[in-house]
Amino acid sequence: EPEVTQTPSHQVTQMGQEVILRCVPISNHLYFYWYRQILGQKVEFLVSFYNNEISEKSEIFDDQFSVERPDGSNFTLKIRSTKLEDSAMYFCASRDRGGLYNEQFFGPGTRLTVL
Amino acid sequence: SQQGEEDPQALSIQEGENATMNCSYKTSINNLQWYRQNSGRGLVHLILIRSNEREKHSGRLRVTLDTSKKSSSLLITASRAADTASYFCATEPGNDMRFGAGTRLTVKP
Repeated sequence: EPEVTQTPSHQVTQMGQEVILRCVPISNHLYFYWYRQILGQKVEFLVSFYNNEISEKSEIFDDQFSVERPDGSNFTLKIRSTKLEDSAMYFCASRDRGGLYNEQFFGPGTRLTVL
Repeated sequence: SQQGEEDPQALSIQEGENATMNCSYKTSINNLQWYRQNSGRGLVHLILIRSNEREKHSGRLRVTLDTSKKSSSLLITASRAADTASYFCATEPGNDMRFGAGTRLTVKP
């Protein structure tokens, strides 16, 4: 069964460093998403991406964040200068052309630890 | 605004019993989804109910949706210890999915 994959599973970085979290969505999916979950808190929407552009973003997704689909398979989240409060699980998700009436498939997440 | 608030926050039952979790939301939605998350793991999609549907079944899961009350319920019948997890409802008022804080379900063997 196709699945969303994410790498790395755990990333440790120093405050102020740039990190890139990588996701490979399911191959025929058209809509892509990033979410984060701070330990013990709810899952929070960051950004949605469709047709090579951001379709919606939350207030969390400030200028320090960017997303890219550099080729036909990867979908990346970049944090330019990490802060301690960026420590969280980051989940990528994708959905197919059915759009809002179909489910989102989530990856296993990347645990980001900022020291 | 807060979307997808679940109650109870925690629920502890014996194996074999039914578990009911509720979710309320504030704005209009296209669909409502329920997810499960085992501790420290990713999100597993359980079921999606569209805004024009009132009830949906999947195995031991039954989901209802009342758009007039802006609420949904997830019923897990004949619970098993393996059902122990956090359960989240999520709504999509637009092209962004909003999760609730979740219900932590513990099923005791």
